[in-house]
Amino acid sequence: RKEVEQDPGPFNVPEGATVAFNCTYSNSASQSFFWYRQDCRKEPKLLMSVYSSGNEDGRFTAQLNRASQYISLLIRDSKLSDSATYLCVVNHGQNFVFGPGTRLSVLP
Amino acid sequence: EPEVTQTPSHQVTQMGQEVILRCVPISNHLYFYWYRQILGQKVEFLVSFYNNEISEKSEIFDDQFSVERPDGSNFTLKIRSTKLEDSAMYFCASTRSNEKLFFGSGTQLSVL
Repeated sequence: RKEVEQDPGPFNVPEGATVAFNCTYSNSASQSFFWYRQDCRKEPKLLMSVYSSGNEDGRFTAQLNRASQYISLLIRDSKLSDSATYLCVVNHGQNFVFGPGTRLSVLP
Repeated sequence: EPEVTQTPSHQVTQMGQEVILRCVPISNHLYFYWYRQILGQKVEFLVSFYNNEISEKSEIFDDQFSVERPDGSNFTLKIRSTKLEDSAMYFCASTRSNEKLFFGSGTQLSVL
């Protein structure tokens, strides 16, 4: 089983839509969790950390279920500028493990 | 805003040659990383570095690779005897407290 798995995508959604991404991780000792976004041929950039109680940042909501080893990201009111690849990242010890990413295209 | 800087942005080399990729992490960060991303594939962990030594490395990081922090600011990745399959984007990253990884803009390595 791969360490971090994500919805394969791509997701093609119209502007204004709500879209949800799922992620699962295999290492139960994982300590911290993040969503990054990556634009084509650019470096990953931190979108948000994911906390056990769930957290929200504007149109973005992240949730963590440690028992199920599952992380989610919800994007409301999608913008054209949200088009990117979304990377689920899990940290255990001193190793940040990246999922394969889910590509999102927001269409006008 | 402080940032991780990487040089060069592009490196073209002949198969069998040695390359050194350079990074300047954010100044008060303590943990340093190298990742690579082959075109169209996932971001892959290579090595982490803390307290002037390697703390963890992946299966990819074999004897062909080495890292060094020669002074208080630079963090380098050396690839000896490059192979075609080493062609990838190489990202340096750093973090202060093992949270919130910050990436440089990457070095695109092309091995011909």
